[in-house]
Amino acid sequence: QKEVEQDPGPLSVPEGAIVSLNCTYSNSAFQYFMWYRQYSRKGPELLMYTYSSGNKEDGRFTAQVDKSSKYISLFIRDSQPSDSATYLCAMRAGNTPLVFGKGTRLSVIA
Amino acid sequence: DGGITQSPKYLFRKEGQNVTLSCEQNLNHDAMYWYRQDPGQGLRLIYYSQIVNDFQKGDIAEGYSVSREKKESFPLTVTSAQKNPTAFYLCASTLWGTSYGYTFGSGTRLTVV
Repeated sequence: QKEVEQDPGPLSVPEGAIVSLNCTYSNSAFQYFMWYRQYSRKGPELLMYTYSSGNKEDGRFTAQVDKSSKYISLFIRDSQPSDSATYLCAMRAGNTPLVFGKGTRLSVIA
Repeated sequence: DGGITQSPKYLFRKEGQNVTLSCEQNLNHDAMYWYRQDPGQGLRLIYYSQIVNDFQKGDIAEGYSVSREKKESFPLTVTSAQKNPTAFYLCASTLWGTSYGYTFGSGTRLTVV
């Protein structure tokens, strides 16, 4: 079992839809959870960061962490064509390096 | 502006050659990382360094080497021992011992010809 599992998609939604992206993990020591957005041929950029369990909201984006289920989610409300990118979940325990999911490719169709 | 600069953007390597990818940051970050990204594989850790003159192997270090002689610089050498080097290489940095996420460079696309 891989440490972090993420459905690679692709996921295609109409403009304005609510998007749900998810990752599961196996290492119960993970305590820092992040979502990165990566446009084609670019480096990833940090989108959301959450420590331990709970929710965090930033504009149209909401990150959720459920440590009891080892499950994290990213919700995008009112999705826009500019949200079309690959979304990578990442997590780590303490000072260990980030472990990334494979990424989910999202297309928002106008 | 502070950031991470990776060069070159595109690199072509002949069979049997060693090539070096450059990574420079002016963020005063102490920890630096190299990841490899292949289609459908996500990011896989090659090497990382927490302080100058010290580095650790990641999950796929075979066929790669690094050095960390300066805080700002963390070059990656892809040696001829790396059998499948064609990939997108990403360098990242962060403040060690903090909960901050990583800042990534814009990547180097390496192709074997």
